[in-house]
Amino acid sequence: GQQLNQSPQSMFIQEGEDVSMNCTSSSIFNTWLWYKQDPGEGPVLLIALYKAGELTSNGRLTAQFGITRKDSFLNISASIPSDVGIYFCAGQRPVYNQGGKLIFGQGTELSVKP
Amino acid sequence: DTEVTQTPKHLVMGMTNKKSLKCEQHMGHRAMYWYKQKAKKPPELMFVYSYEKLSINESVPSRFSPECPNSSLLNLHLHALQPEDSALYLCASSQVGRGNTEAFFGQGTRLTVV
Repeated sequence: GQQLNQSPQSMFIQEGEDVSMNCTSSSIFNTWLWYKQDPGEGPVLLIALYKAGELTSNGRLTAQFGITRKDSFLNISASIPSDVGIYFCAGQRPVYNQGGKLIFGQGTELSVKP
Repeated sequence: DTEVTQTPKHLVMGMTNKKSLKCEQHMGHRAMYWYKQKAKKPPELMFVYSYEKLSINESVPSRFSPECPNSSLLNLHLHALQPEDSALYLCASSQVGRGNTEAFFGQGTRLTVV
């Protein structure tokens, strides 16, 4: 099925560094979501974006909904060891009278060197 | 409360067994989803229920049979599975409508078919 282009696929960073990852699509989405998944657990919603150009923060996390509605980025400032995990972007197009169907990126695996 | 509860957390079954996965949410969401996820890959949509009716089946083999007994519960009945069906099975729920339809995931059931 359709997937989003998420980059980078993996990154190793020093504790305290800032992290940036992004997703791009060839088609428009109404909603962009960012999830974090720890091993053996389900994805946890970090940030939801609903309007083109919207910039939203959640603690050390900041995400933006691209103005063209075809891209989004997630920044993590001052990374800490517990930021380790896989981060997924997801685009959503609501289906009339139904829940929205999510299209996921391939994930960015974040490893932090303590 | 943004909790989606899945049981069991782990399941090992033989190829001739019949088992069921269960999912429960009390957020008043009227859309519920089953996803399948392989290691370090994004979740893949299997089924969507909206208002307790099956609205999307992503061409899933009939050995997987979903059921939505009421607005809070979602089951996935398993029969005659193959070893390649071993994966993390995720349940999610969301509101239905044009906005704020972000999906919340459960912690998953780790299924091993032997």
